[in-house]
Amino acid sequence: DTAVSQTPKYLVTQMGNDKSIKCEQNLGHDTMYWYKQDSKKFLKIMFSYNNKELIINETVPNRFSPKSPDKAHLNLHINSLELGDSAVYFCASSHSTTDTQYFGPGTRLTVL
Amino acid sequence: AQSVAQPEDQVNVAEGNPLTVKCTYSVSGNPYLFWYVQYPNRGLQFLLKYITGDNLVKGSYGFEAEFNKSQTSFHLKKPSALVSDSALYFCAVRANNDMRFGAGTRLTVKP
Repeated sequence: DTAVSQTPKYLVTQMGNDKSIKCEQNLGHDTMYWYKQDSKKFLKIMFSYNNKELIINETVPNRFSPKSPDKAHLNLHINSLELGDSAVYFCASSHSTTDTQYFGPGTRLTVL
Repeated sequence: AQSVAQPEDQVNVAEGNPLTVKCTYSVSGNPYLFWYVQYPNRGLQFLLKYITGDNLVKGSYGFEAEFNKSQTSFHLKKPSALVSDSALYFCAVRANNDMRFGAGTRLTVKP
């Protein structure tokens, strides 16, 4: 009964490809997030969705687009992948925008 | 804009000794403060948070943190460290609908 799950766990792809990472939470939370953790372990918030509305949109390239089909899912689609996109991407969810966030296990993206 | 600083990249302690992982923050408005721990190849796990009330907050695995408004600090502490506490620790602050994480502090507890 995993609380926040992500697929795939590992993703290796070529530059220029388009890929998606899926995230699902079964905690009944109404807010979901995407984070990027670089090779130095620095963690940066990318997006958050609250009730299917984008409420935070950091200055990430528009090649990245979050898609939320419902409150339990927030997928991350990346177009025209670049070498610098290689990182670990974490999904998280919370009961509200001020509550504790619960993280998924991460997706390690490697762009060759 | 808010920010979080973890001044130490690395903290080394001997098992059984007390540990402190430091965190300072800068926000406009009242902060919500969090500590998370990350074990190798895992996602972040919530340890504790300060919203309001008592300045000393107790969390998971025997950890606690003290909110100090005058020093704008939220240091993580544990009276007696375990080898299994070795991990990467992140402080985070949420204010004005924005969440920021510190750069992380790697804690190593040696037997």
